[in-house]
Amino acid sequence: ETGVTQTPRHLVMGMTNKKSLKCEQHLGHNAMYWYKQSAKKPLELMFVYSLEERVENNSVPSRFSPECPNSSHLFLHLHTLQPEDSALYLCASSVSGAGPNYGYTFGSGTRLTVV
Amino acid sequence: QKEVEQNSGPLSVPEGAIASLNCTYSDRGSQSFFWYRQYSGKSPELIMSIYSNGDKEDGRFTAQLNKASQYVSLLIRDSQPSDSATYLCAVNIIRVTGGGNKLTFGTGTQLKVEL
Repeated sequence: ETGVTQTPRHLVMGMTNKKSLKCEQHLGHNAMYWYKQSAKKPLELMFVYSLEERVENNSVPSRFSPECPNSSHLFLHLHTLQPEDSALYLCASSVSGAGPNYGYTFGSGTRLTVV
Repeated sequence: QKEVEQNSGPLSVPEGAIASLNCTYSDRGSQSFFWYRQYSGKSPELIMSIYSNGDKEDGRFTAQLNKASQYVSLLIRDSQPSDSATYLCAVNIIRVTGGGNKLTFGTGTQLKVEL
C-alpha cells in the first residue's frame, strides 16, 4: 500500500459506543495529524503528533482520545460521542520541520455518523 | 477576523476560461501557502504550494503570492469540467519547536466549470 490509508471509510455509532479510527502512512513522514471537517466549516485541526510526541491538542473534548504508537500509525479513539460530532475525520501526514514546500498528504477520511 | 478567508462561491466559469480563486490570511508570520482540491465526498489533494512572492506555474495552474497584501491566489487556465471541485487555501507557520507543520485552512471556494 502507498500513501495514507484510513479505516473504516464509514462508521455509524451510537452515543454509548466505543470505536476507533485508524490511520497508516507509508510515506516515511514523521508527523501525523487529525482534522475534523464539518459542512460549511473550515477544516479543524484536532491533534498533531511529531516524532510520536503529541505537540498540539486544540481544545478537543476528552471523548476524543488520540494514540500514536509509532511514526506510521495514528488512532483516534471515540467514546460517548454526541450527534454534533458527526463529520468527516481526516488523517494527514507530513515531514516534520521540513522546508516550506512540504504540505500534507491526506487519507481518504472516515465519514462518522453518531446516532 | 478569520485566519484564512475565501469566498465560498460557487464560482462559475465556462469551459476553456480562466478561473481565479482568491485567499487572504491574517498572520504576517505565515511562511508558506498551499492550494488543495477537494472533490465532493473525497479528501483534499495538494495541487500547488508557494512561499516566495510572485508567480509559480505548474501546467494549467498558477499560484500567486503577495505577502505585503497577505494575499494568495490560484489561476486555472483552460478550465475543464473535471476542475469542478472545492479549492481549499491553507497557510503554514513553520514551527520553531515541537515539530510538525500546522496548516490553517480556509472554508474553500466551490468552482463549477460549465460546458
